[in-house]
Amino acid sequence: ETGVTQTPRHLVMGMTNKKSLKCEQHLGHNAMYWYKQSAKKPLELMFVYNFKEQTENNSVPSRFSPECPNSSHLFLHLHTLQPEDSALYLCASSQVLQGDTEAFFGQGTRLTVV
Amino acid sequence: DQQVKQNSPSLSVQEGRISILNCDYTNSMFDYFLWYKKYPAEGPTFLISISSIKDKNEDGRFTVFLNKSAKHLSLHIVPSQPGDSAVYFCAASPNSGGYQKVTFGIGTKLQVIP
Repeated sequence: ETGVTQTPRHLVMGMTNKKSLKCEQHLGHNAMYWYKQSAKKPLELMFVYNFKEQTENNSVPSRFSPECPNSSHLFLHLHTLQPEDSALYLCASSQVLQGDTEAFFGQGTRLTVV
Repeated sequence: DQQVKQNSPSLSVQEGRISILNCDYTNSMFDYFLWYKKYPAEGPTFLISISSIKDKNEDGRFTVFLNKSAKHLSLHIVPSQPGDSAVYFCAASPNSGGYQKVTFGIGTKLQVIP
């Protein structure tokens, strides 16, 4: 496989459940990101990992917990979510360099909280 | 307050004609701009970018124009093809050399009619 792969593609969970989203990148990048896309809203950056170290946490509620065990894998652990957390969750990766760069996105996980 | 604005939620264009997607920004610190394309059920894919030292960047059928004084950029697609039908996101970053600070617009849905 190449690029950025996210699993699962779709997830329905109850508010008391615990689940995890997985992201894997095969591009040799050293930075990974979690984004949230809600209907009629811009993509919102949730977490940034550079060289496996979390460098950004944009005021995300603690019911979302990221984990980056190595530069190729990124997880988003979910627990006691709310219905308003239903959204498309996108993982992305990039190579942090001196100079402009772009990120490569996975296909996303469509999350529905019931 | 949205720093990157795409005021047209949708656009319909006849095949073969020019598509022009517009984007305005408010943060004068932005100096790197990107366009992403997103098909349904897929993640955004990078299309084209422009640095603030340029006012035009061209890649095949896609050209991005930047007007710094007006804080406006546009994406031109010519000729438009049915396969170009997608949601287009404008994004901007305040610093070269990193993706962490990229801010996205809400997107414009382009429909190219055969």
